Amino acid sequence: DSGVTQTPKHLITATGQRVTLRCSPRSGDLSVYWYQQSLDQGLQFLIQYYNGEERAKGNILERFSAQQFPDLHSELNLSSLELGDSALYFCASSVASLADTQYFGPGTRLTVL
Amino acid sequence: EDQVTQSPEALRLQEGESSSLNCSYTVSGLRGLFWYRQDPGKGPEFLFTLYSAGEEKEKERLKATLTKKESFLHITAPKPEDSATYLCAVQMGAQKLVFGQGTRLTINP
Repeated sequence: DSGVTQTPKHLITATGQRVTLRCSPRSGDLSVYWYQQSLDQGLQFLIQYYNGEERAKGNILERFSAQQFPDLHSELNLSSLELGDSALYFCASSVASLADTQYFGPGTRLTVL
Repeated sequence: EDQVTQSPEALRLQEGESSSLNCSYTVSGLRGLFWYRQDPGKGPEFLFTLYSAGEEKEKERLKATLTKKESFLHITAPKPEDSATYLCAVQMGAQKLVFGQGTRLTINP
């Protein structure tokens, strides 16, 4: 158990809908990262927050957004969902930022029908 | 473009048969190289962090080494429970991790 929690574990929804994925980092960690893992793309970095502020952006679509709240939990919002958005979404956390080990949560499996 | 390549894509070994997994990278300003283990449908589990060429880390049957252009994950006398996908990731100037595609390791009893 890494100490990172994610909810829900599974999510099934329809195209065009909007969903919110939630992540609670390990106690004491200030950075939260979101990754997408699909069969053909592997693990792709989406976005990072550090102590409430966006710190780095990766291959995140405009339909996706995220935020980190004062209690350091984070939410990833996915809107106008498409079939291709079906994937595993992982949250990771680290103490600070540069070169810190990132610990991953169990993931949320999103299925878009 | 920064790139991480893992080989082989898949490896099947007999229990007790030692081998090595490779992770080569073409990045500028490497800040750290990370090895993770991932079981199907689960989150990546942290194994090792390496920061500089020549560094080695060990944990049970696993040993990770780092050179200027690649890292090896050596597995000694593996057991069936070592079967998993092993992921290598590098962190450069930015905070994000760039992952390789992984090596799917199967240990047959």
